[in-house]
Amino acid sequence: DAGVTQTPRHEVAEKGQTIILKCEPVSGHNDLFWYRQTKIQGLELLSYFRSKSLMEDGGAFKDRFKAEMLNSSFSTLKIQPTEPKDSAVYLCASSFWTGEVFFGKGTRLTVV
Amino acid sequence: EQQVQQSPASLVLQEAENAELQCSFSIFTNQVQWFYQRPGGRLVSLLYNPSGTKQSGRLTSTTVIKERRSSLHISSSQITDSGTYLCAMEQDQGGRALIFGTGTTVSVSP
Repeated sequence: DAGVTQTPRHEVAEKGQTIILKCEPVSGHNDLFWYRQTKIQGLELLSYFRSKSLMEDGGAFKDRFKAEMLNSSFSTLKIQPTEPKDSAVYLCASSFWTGEVFFGKGTRLTVV
Repeated sequence: EQQVQQSPASLVLQEAENAELQCSFSIFTNQVQWFYQRPGGRLVSLLYNPSGTKQSGRLTSTTVIKERRSSLHISSSQITDSGTYLCAMEQDQGGRALIFGTGTTVSVSP
């Protein structure tokens, strides 16, 4: 599968823990996005990278959320410390310049 | 303020009926993309439509940039079309991250 790959698919964390979510974009894509999806808020942008440079950082998420692109084919999203309100599906997506955006299957995070 | 508005919020169809989903934006955009998602499923790109009309199978998207609106037409609906349809716009001024609407949930029954 040459699509966007996210791991793990499910994560359960205790309140206060640090968790790291991983994403591999489509090979050759230079834009990478992290979104959070909940039933109430819908899709919210967490971070956007272009060619590994951070372009946008969702203002409401700067406090405990940190996304990084270690190289052009791998990104992580760290949440530290986790809170129950962080329970959601975390989505990674990628695209090539102005092209279509493709999403991974997501990581479902439950914080207890 | 919700920058991307979708209507209706939900839609119930009988199999074979047609449907029109609407999307409007409060700010200028360069392009629109329509996505489909089943409960618990991946967001799947349906149509990437900078402007004008674009068709893929039974789906037709029409985007009028200057009027800040886009529509998705589903013809001859099938039960497997059930799910949530999301409209997303790319901001015109700097940054490329898509801003999403809240979606239209479509339910197609036999």
